[in-house]
Amino acid sequence: DAMVIQNPRYQVTQFGKPVTLSCSQTLNHNVMYWYQQKSSQAPKLLFHYYDKDFNNEADTPDNFQSRRPNTSFCFLDIRSPGLGDAAMYLCATSRQRGGGGETQYFGPGTRLLVL
Amino acid sequence: GQNIDQPTEMTATEGAIVQINCTYQTSGFNGLFWYQQHAGEAPTFLSYNVLDGLEEKGRFSSFLSRSKGYSYLLLKELQMKDSASYLCAVMDSNYQLIWGAGTKLIIKP
Repeated sequence: DAMVIQNPRYQVTQFGKPVTLSCSQTLNHNVMYWYQQKSSQAPKLLFHYYDKDFNNEADTPDNFQSRRPNTSFCFLDIRSPGLGDAAMYLCATSRQRGGGGETQYFGPGTRLLVL
Repeated sequence: GQNIDQPTEMTATEGAIVQINCTYQTSGFNGLFWYQQHAGEAPTFLSYNVLDGLEEKGRFSSFLSRSKGYSYLLLKELQMKDSASYLCAVMDSNYQLIWGAGTKLIIKP
């Protein structure tokens, strides 16, 4: 089945220790997104890639970076995680960026815990 | 600024009908999405409205009024598995999704 896969599902890291979250997709979608979602809050868009074109949201902290080495894979790097970065990180894809109605499909998420 | 408002929490009874409202103020409009999110899981797509009116899909229906900046999600014949958060999201003029914080729906037997 075509899908969005995120690994790991749960990630524990130490304060200040770099961590990388991964996402892969078999949908062959052009656009990939990274969201941060804290409990009972709306998902917050961190980055999105349209093909290889990288788009950084204005209020995404410098502590967060992303890489998309090919169509199928995307990574979220947190250089120095703080306690406030504990959240669910959601990867999503859509077929295109423009045009109304481009549904975003989500992976199962990675829950990050910072100790 | 851009804003999506929906109730924080609602409670309904198994077998009943519930309507979850969403009002929005965004810069431009390219459609409104409803997603379901079970606790600890990712959002899953439920519906998309871009024209005024009602879209029906099984037990779930979604309504849109663009002039009023208003949508609702209607869930019929509620089942216990419908206990989840329901997120309203609007695609703005830049084709970016603006998300509401979600409505937590609690279903009681």
